Parts: sequence; structure tokens; C-alpha cells
Amino acid sequence: DGGITQSPKYLFRKEGQNVTLSCEQNLNHDAMYWYRQDPGQGLRLIYYSQIVNDFQKGDIAEGYSVSREKKESFPLTVTSAQKNPTAFYLCASSLQGATEAFFGQGTRLTVV
Amino acid sequence: GESVGLHLPTLSVQEGDNSIINCAYSNSASDYFIWYKQESGKGPQFIIDIRSNMDKRQGQRVTVLLNKTVKHLSLQIAATQPGDSAVYFCAENQGSARQLTFGSGTQLTVLP
Repeated sequence: DGGITQSPKYLFRKEGQNVTLSCEQNLNHDAMYWYRQDPGQGLRLIYYSQIVNDFQKGDIAEGYSVSREKKESFPLTVTSAQKNPTAFYLCASSLQGATEAFFGQGTRLTVV
Repeated sequence: GESVGLHLPTLSVQEGDNSIINCAYSNSASDYFIWYKQESGKGPQFIIDIRSNMDKRQGQRVTVLLNKTVKHLSLQIAATQPGDSAVYFCAENQGSARQLTFGSGTQLTVLP
């Protein structure tokens, strides 16, 4: 089945540790995005990438890093510099110029 | 600043009734407005979108209305079913990468 897959579904991290969230899509989409969602709130854009080996900061990029070495993959690293990393993280992809973005099922990150 | 927001955080309707979810926006330069449905613990799912040069668009059991004069967007769901219970987000399209700005969401609860 075509789609966008995030892993793991739940992730626990100790304070001071970096952690990487996986996002893979087999939809042949050029554009990929990472959003953060806090309880009772909408989604906020962390990073986005329109093409391989290129990405741009979104509204809340501080404390996060990404890479786009392959079209199918857009991993997000939550670094120890992120002051409040506990949240629900959503990855999405879309065709260039499309209005419809396809979302993964999310990764819930908890700092313990 | 520009923003997308929702009038009501919660909405309860009887099964079989019609639902109307409202959204206010402030960026009159947006090209598209999109409605997403998010079930608990899952990623948002695209419902319907509308271009800024349209005032109405219909889908299966859903209708989106756009009133540019008062910068208001609404999603109408006909014959609401229990499976419609979810959080509904409106979002506006910004920028060339088609990244989206989301509102905070409305929780729709369908009562038996």
C-alpha cells in the first residue's frame, strides 16, 4: 500500500539526549514536512523540504534538525537544545504545488 | 499577524443532524483553504479544500463555504454519523512550498 509511515509510534527520551524520528513515504512526493502538535492545539511547522538535499526552517525550528538524503525519507532529530520536546510529531508529504498533504500516524515523544 | 482561528472549540450534535464547523481567517492573500479531520491519536486526514476564487464546494456529505467579505470559512457535514466524531482543523495555504497554517481545531462529538 502507498502511504507515509512514521516510527516509532511512542518514544521516550531522557533529558539531554538526542532522538531521531523516522518518516518514510512511497508516494513519490517531492515535498515533505514535519509538524509539532501540542494538546488542544493546531499543528506548527518545524521544517519542510521541497526536494532532495534541500530543506527550510518552519516556524519553530529551534532545537530540531532534519536531513533529506533520499526522496522517500525525511528524518527529524530532536536535540537536547529543544527545551520542551514532549509533543505529538506529525510528518506529511505532498506533490509539488498540491494543496493536499498526506499525514503519517504520528510519533508521540515523551521526555522522562 | 496573520492567523487562522476557529470560533468554537467544541461542538456536540445528535446523530443524523447536520453539523456546521466555523473558521475565521485573516490572511486574505491565501490561495487555498483546507479542512482536515483528526481522530484521536492519528494524523490529520484531508477532507476537502476550496480555492480562494470560489465560494462553495461540495464533496461526499460535506460542503465548504467561503465568505471572503467577512473572511469566514465553514464546513457543513450532512447527516452526521458517530464516525464523524473527531477534531476538525481548517488550514490556509501559504508560500510556494504549500506549507499550511492550522487553526487550533474544533472537537465534534456526535451524540446517540
